Amino acid sequence: GAGVSQSPRYKVAKRGQDVALRCDPISGHVSLFWYQQALGQGPEFLTYFQNEAQLDKSGLPSDRFFAERPEGSVSTLKIQRTQQEDSAVYLCASSSGQGETQYFGPGTRLLVL
Amino acid sequence: QQQVKQSPQSLIVQKGGISIINCAYENTAFDYFPWYQQFPGKGPALLIAIRPDVSEKKEGRFTISFNKSAKQFSLHIMDSQPGDSATYFCAARSGGSYIPTFGRGTSLIVHP
Repeated sequence: GAGVSQSPRYKVAKRGQDVALRCDPISGHVSLFWYQQALGQGPEFLTYFQNEAQLDKSGLPSDRFFAERPEGSVSTLKIQRTQQEDSAVYLCASSSGQGETQYFGPGTRLLVL
Repeated sequence: QQQVKQSPQSLIVQKGGISIINCAYENTAFDYFPWYQQFPGKGPALLIAIRPDVSEKKEGRFTISFNKSAKQFSLHIMDSQPGDSATYFCAARSGGSYIPTFGRGTSLIVHP
């Protein structure tokens, strides 16, 4: 089954470290979204790509967060100089079009110590 | 500012019972209301969705009731089963946006 996959599934980082989270969307999906899900909360939008173009990054909480999708397929969310408040599950979702159903990956659980 | 308010935070029902989760919204521009189901260690998955031109949508044991004037919508799970135990999120999205606004979630436990 070719669903959305994310890696790593779990990441423990020391405060100040840089981390990179990977998302493999469903093949052929042009739209890709990143969300942050804090414990006990719903997902909150971070950024959106259409193919390789980052069309919306309004949800990125600070300039320490950076996302890319250079070939319009795999995407990487990078967090520089991690802080404890960055601890959350980072979800990736893809869809066949901008307003179509989003299919979520299992998420990467990030813990910053 | 929480644009979509969801209640209750947690819910325990017996097998065969009815589970009811409620959501309220403020933004009248919202015109698409999906519900997501999330199991531990998994991402949310679309369960059922409704647009405001209808007051109810049913898919199997799952029903969305929508009250446009009250700006409220709810999920009803009939004949609840232990396999329904999960976290449920309501969400809302406006036609001009591709970004759903999620509620805080309801943790449902169905006892056998």
